[in-house]
Formats: sequence, C-alpha cells, structure tokens
Amino acid sequence: QQPVQSPQAVILREGEDAVINCSSSKALYSVHWYRQKHGEAPVFLMILLKGGEQKGHEKISASFNEKKQQSSLYLTASQLSYSGTYFCGTEDQGTDSWGKLQFGAGTQVVVTP
Amino acid sequence: AAGVIQSPRHLIKEKRETATLKCYPIPRHDTVYWYQQGPGQDPQFLISFYEKMQSDKGSIPDRFSAQQFSDYHSELNMSSLELGDSALYFCASSPEGQGTDGELFFGEGSRLTVL
Repeated sequence: QQPVQSPQAVILREGEDAVINCSSSKALYSVHWYRQKHGEAPVFLMILLKGGEQKGHEKISASFNEKKQQSSLYLTASQLSYSGTYFCGTEDQGTDSWGKLQFGAGTQVVVTP
Repeated sequence: AAGVIQSPRHLIKEKRETATLKCYPIPRHDTVYWYQQGPGQDPQFLISFYEKMQSDKGSIPDRFSAQQFSDYHSELNMSSLELGDSALYFCASSPEGQGTDGELFFGEGSRLTVL
C-alpha cells in the first residue's frame, strides 16, 4: 500500500522550518525517509522502526506515530542544501510485506536565499 | 567507498525491442531491489532478491524478468518495450542480514528511453 505524502510542494526561505507528513492506511513496520536531487539517486536520511521513535540527522528530524500510522519529517532552520524531493518509504507489517519498501509521491522542497 | 554500480547509465531502444540492465551491489550486500521511476513520479518497487532468490515482487510487468547471480549482481530484462517503459531504473542494495531494517543504498540509475 503506497503511503500518502503531504504537502506536494513547499517553498521556504533559508532558516525557515517545514513539516512533511507521510501516512498509511495499513499498520506500518518501518518508515524510511530519503531525499532526491533532480536526476540523482535517492539518499537515505533516516529510518524509524518503532512507534513513537524520533530520529535526527543534523537539523532534520522525524517522528513515527505507530497508532496513527504516520510519520512526520521536520526540516528545521532550512539550508539551501535541503532543496530536493523528499520521499517517505514504508514497509507494512506482516511477513508478506517483508522487504517491500514502497514510496510516497514525494514532496518537493525548494529553499530560497 | 564502493557504491552500487548500474550499467548502462543511458539506454535508447525502439518499441518492441529488448533491454537488459545490470546492477552490482556493494560488496557484502546480499539483497538487491529494483525500482522504476517515471518522470516526476515516485520510485515504484519492481522486485527484490535476497541471497539469489526472489524475495518480493511489486508492480513488475510480465514482460520484465530479473535474477540475481552467484556473485550477487542482478540483471533486469525487459522485452517488448513500450513507450511507457521510459523511465529511470534504480537498483539498491542492503547489507547482509539487514534487509529493509536500515538504509537502502541506491545506484545512480539507468535511464531508459523507448522511441
């Protein structure tokens, strides 16, 4: 089941904050977050494996609400290098979903000077 | 550090032709994943292999087949190509025993254009 991301796009000025949401209709085993620059490979940001877990990567952090089956990515004090398309990837609970990481439609982030 | 190697990087084919994409995972990575990404779209999971066996299947057309070889490299074979197959094909790998419990390391992709 493909997760749903919102918003589709966000424009920020350097130093501003943003939140990207990722939700699923199914119980989730894990949530991955990746950032992709145009024409390049997705780059791993972080993975959340447990409900309520929060992880951080510099000023980018994420939370995972297992009950609500959703995750949020927080971009804090954004930098120009944060520009790109952010994808959440989810793996459903259940052995038949092992290894099947499905991505949301992506959120395009543009950070301007 | 070694990364995931994909070849060719660019491929142009005509409709109804066949194409083969290759993926060489990072050493000591035992799982390979194939994704298809159309223009402006999200990566769509096609298929994955663990220890040379198919481990999961996504939205892969019947015209496509893939396998993982004894040296862990993988090949994606696409036949009867259609215009809609034009996309960026990513291969990713993950370390021994980890699966999707951690980072997937993506290659730079193979861009297929079908004319």
